[in-house]
Amino acid sequence: EAGVVQSPRYKIIEKKQPVAFWCNPISGHNTLYWYLQNLGQGPELLIRYENEEAVDDSQLPKDRFSAERLKGVDSTLKIQPAELGDSAVYLCASSGRMETQYFGPGTRLLVL
Amino acid sequence: AQKVTQAQTEISVVEKEDVTLDCVYETRDTTYYLFWYKQPPSGELVFLIRRNSFDEQNEISGRYSWNFQKSTSSFNFTITASQVVDSAVYFCALFDRGSTLGRLYFGRGTQLTVWP
Repeated sequence: EAGVVQSPRYKIIEKKQPVAFWCNPISGHNTLYWYLQNLGQGPELLIRYENEEAVDDSQLPKDRFSAERLKGVDSTLKIQPAELGDSAVYLCASSGRMETQYFGPGTRLLVL
Repeated sequence: AQKVTQAQTEISVVEKEDVTLDCVYETRDTTYYLFWYKQPPSGELVFLIRRNSFDEQNEISGRYSWNFQKSTSSFNFTITASQVVDSAVYFCALFDRGSTLGRLYFGRGTQLTVWP
């Protein structure tokens, strides 16, 4: 069974530029999560989807971050415009049952 | 409020030593899950174990074992006869099913280095 797929794995951009991350969850998993992981920290939830619906986005900085999961499968997380402090690893996870989440390899973002 | 504390920031051991990673959690919920994840240098979080709050039985899987003690709110992880490939950051996490819509809370992680 294929795991969670994310792309790109690495991204370097200049501040004020837009950036987008893509995630393909494990087949059949209805719940999808985006996490932010800063250096030396544990992941923190940005947004959770149940199928197409964002059911928990209270931690998403909505002034510059947006996310979508139009068909209830793939998801895209966007930052516009990026700031220096957005440099981090962005992780995507999915779960069939709510409790056990399986993570992708993450996208390492560096904002210069 | 939910909180996970991993007091050990870094641990270094020599191969074949046993090592225990500590995890202490806080929650007001009676129903919750505890997890351990491994994050090797490649960056992917690898699921290791899930433990239900109602199941305090300890578990062993090969060289890995977990000790869940509700009385002390701890869920410690022991690696027996450590190997270089065990070098990674290990995260303990708490999932509650209560009012916070089922969010997974991570500790800050413990960096384990196993030297040959």
